[in-house]
Amino acid sequence: GENVEQHPSTLSVQEGDSAVIKCTYSDSASNYFPWYKQELGKRPQLIIDIRSNVGEKKDQRIAVTLNKTAKHFSLHITETQPEDSAVYFCAATHNFNKFYFGSGTKLNVKP
Amino acid sequence: ETGVTQSPTHLIKTRGQQVTLRCSSQSGHNTVSWYQQALGQGPQFIFQYYREEENGRGNFPPRFSGLQFPNYSSELNVNALELDDSALYLCASSLEAGGGETQYFGPGTRLLVL
Repeated sequence: GENVEQHPSTLSVQEGDSAVIKCTYSDSASNYFPWYKQELGKRPQLIIDIRSNVGEKKDQRIAVTLNKTAKHFSLHITETQPEDSAVYFCAATHNFNKFYFGSGTKLNVKP
Repeated sequence: ETGVTQSPTHLIKTRGQQVTLRCSSQSGHNTVSWYQQALGQGPQFIFQYYREEENGRGNFPPRFSGLQFPNYSSELNVNALELDDSALYLCASSLEAGGGETQYFGPGTRLLVL
């Protein structure tokens, strides 16, 4: 089955700086890659996603890039704010049936 | 916030007991997936239900079972509870299994097995 690895496990940045979280996947058939933000005690919330026919997608301060050849995708957050502090998860699926998640990155944005 | 709801929010059980967790999918969604999220880990896929049938299963033993009802709500049943079953159980609903639509999570049920 699919194996998704996520790095780093923790990331601390100063407010206003950029943050980058990287994921690799093993199944070349995977074609959909969502990113979720999970605040303490809350549900994972979809923040951005990308499909395999696109190399990059941007939504305001958040962007995701996908390299199908290298089988990795990354989340980029610019101009970070304290409210961006949370745990971020990447995921991959090839059939919208089983979603395979990374182990999470705890992002701390220092004011 | 999504329209996916789960009950109960918290639950304490003892080893060997059985538990039933419930999930109501977002309006219009006919597919429900269940995940187990251990502390400090990413969600792990348990199984998915589509139009009342199991539509895929992860690496969980048979004591994890489920149901989906005609209104597309769903139950997760766990028999013979073990200490390692302590986790946050999340359900997620999507519009149509395999239809290329993403899933939306409920708030979860936190299960503690003593």
